Amino acid sequence: SQTIHQWPATLVQPVGSPLSLECTVEGTSNPNLYWYRQAAGRGLQLLFYSVGIGQISSEVPQNLSASRPQDRQFILSSKKLLLSDSGFYLCAWSVAGTNEKLFFGSGTQLSVL
Amino acid sequence: GQSLEQPSEVTAVEGAIVQMNCTYQTSGFYGLSWYQQHDGGAPTFLSYNALDGLEETGRFSSFLSRSDSYGYLLLQELQMKDSASYFCAVQDQKVTFGTGTKLQVIP
Repeated sequence: SQTIHQWPATLVQPVGSPLSLECTVEGTSNPNLYWYRQAAGRGLQLLFYSVGIGQISSEVPQNLSASRPQDRQFILSSKKLLLSDSGFYLCAWSVAGTNEKLFFGSGTQLSVL
Repeated sequence: GQSLEQPSEVTAVEGAIVQMNCTYQTSGFYGLSWYQQHDGGAPTFLSYNALDGLEETGRFSSFLSRSDSYGYLLLQELQMKDSASYFCAVQDQKVTFGTGTKLQVIP
């Protein structure tokens, strides 16, 4: 069966510090991968999606970047965090070639202070 | 670009039926999905419509009208555990989520 791992669950970082969030998927090949951010009580904002290794589409100009160094690994990074980067970050995957059903990781609650 | 609108909140009584609407404006469209998210948790998939009409899965049904750019999620026999936020999402090359409807089920 397929599983998605996302860590850490919570993170408190000072302004100006770097960020690295990792997401891995098991039990499937060549998944579509997604990073979303959710502000408290709000909807999900698509940040990045990837249909294959090294293929990253960015949706919102921002202080973040994403990489997909391996087929089932998706990394969200920042060189210098801003206060506005705080939020609930969710990684998700879907079966290659389809996206009607996303499977989400448990999320990372990031607080930038 | 993609734009999806949902009512922000709805309250319904346990055992009743509730309908949550979603209207969208998109440059591309493959289908409409629905997700449930409890406070502090991750969204979970409920249903998907690619064609016009009603899809039923147990107590949950989802409807789509492509000509009206409109869909809804129907929950029957409401239970307290159904209290959560419900999001519609449009698929084209990517997946764009709506603003979400927070459902409160009261006794």
